[in-house]
Amino acid sequence: EDQVTQSPEALRLQEGESSSLNCSYTVSGLRGLFWYRQDPGKGPEFLFTLYSAGEEKEKERLKATLTKKESFLHITAPKPEDSATYLCAVGGSEKLVFGKGMKLTVNP
Amino acid sequence: NAGVTQTPKFQVLKTGQSMTLQCAQDMNHNSMYWYRQDPGMGLRLIYYSASEGTTDKGEVPNGYNVSRLNKREFSLRLESAAPSQTSVYFCASSLLEGRVEKLFFGSGTQLSVL
Repeated sequence: EDQVTQSPEALRLQEGESSSLNCSYTVSGLRGLFWYRQDPGKGPEFLFTLYSAGEEKEKERLKATLTKKESFLHITAPKPEDSATYLCAVGGSEKLVFGKGMKLTVNP
Repeated sequence: NAGVTQTPKFQVLKTGQSMTLQCAQDMNHNSMYWYRQDPGMGLRLIYYSASEGTTDKGEVPNGYNVSRLNKREFSLRLESAAPSQTSVYFCASSLLEGRVEKLFFGSGTQLSVL
């Protein structure tokens, strides 16, 4: 059974304080790993797809990396507008499996 | 571009009432999905449709039915609502990217069953 665990469940940062979010997974044959951002009252919005260990992708202050067991979403010098819930999902043997999400709050 | 459109945005039902959640996508995607999102549970797949005319159960299908009306539309029906079905419901469509489906979500329906 494919499984995804995100940690921490919630994180509070000061503006400019860099940090990383973790997504650990176990799958039978990774087809792809996704990061989504979800704002309150809205649906998840696509950020990144990673396909194989060693792959990295960047968008503004966000950088996603992938190993054989986990993915990290690095946030560099975050701003209050980066506050959201970040979801990780993996495609393995069956349909996408989502983690429970990580709520990030960035204080000004 | 509208993307994935869900209606209604909010709904309150009494136990035993029925209702249908509507979803439409304008991206010409073959596959469509219904998820529910509960606090501390993450997104869970209720039903999906790989193509027009086909539907399959997901992780939590009990108490729900679906209809893939055409390529654009995928509806979710609650025949006899129960308080356990209080949740936020998301419709999604997908594009195959490499060997994995990339999901595009609607804005959700917040459903309360009293």
